[in-house]
Amino acid sequence: DAKTTQPTSMDCAEGRAANLPCNHSTISGNEYVYWYRQIHSQGPQYIIHGLKNNETNEMASLIITEDRKSSTLILPHATLRDTAVYYCIALRHNNAGNMLTFGGGTRLMVKP
Amino acid sequence: SAVISQKPSRDICQRGTSLTIQCQVDSQVTMMFWYRQQPGQSLTLIATANQGSEATYESGFVIDKFPISRPNLTFSTLTVSNMSPEDSSIYLCSVEDSPGDTEAFFGQGTRLTVV
Repeated sequence: DAKTTQPTSMDCAEGRAANLPCNHSTISGNEYVYWYRQIHSQGPQYIIHGLKNNETNEMASLIITEDRKSSTLILPHATLRDTAVYYCIALRHNNAGNMLTFGGGTRLMVKP
Repeated sequence: SAVISQKPSRDICQRGTSLTIQCQVDSQVTMMFWYRQQPGQSLTLIATANQGSEATYESGFVIDKFPISRPNLTFSTLTVSNMSPEDSSIYLCSVEDSPGDTEAFFGQGTRLTVV
């Protein structure tokens, strides 16, 4: 699976949109972009994933550039509970099991 | 979505001993995974555990050190054997509801400290 690069940390004001970037310049055509987050002392939590098109769910939006070399996770109205480490992962679906390769992630701090 | 319970949630163990971590899922799942998260680090996959077959280990992890059992579709154990302080980590169980499922679910983890 392709390597991803994320900023180490970011701050965001409560109530504002949090935009978390991810670079995946070597992503292949059949690799999806996945986002998970890990709140302190908890296991990772799935947020969203996409292949080519932008995606939105109740948690976030995922914007993938046309060349698919980068993407942005958007939390539209960040709350203090969104403080977590956010992981961007490139993953090829595999019926034998989707083994996740976690990079360093971005530590998002939402401030009052 | 699958709900995962891990036991124990935390433990402090003496070096040279072994600890078995249990992972119980509230539904039958095909794929189960064990991850390790060392202090301040990201998660690293230890092995994949499928029911009815031996676990598949990632590079750097061996069965003698991390034996895994998968007796049925709702349960798995990971044993950390002959522990040293370097084994102090959070160990997490993860599942996929069905093969090729797009979302993985994680337990809360077991925080292990070896003294």
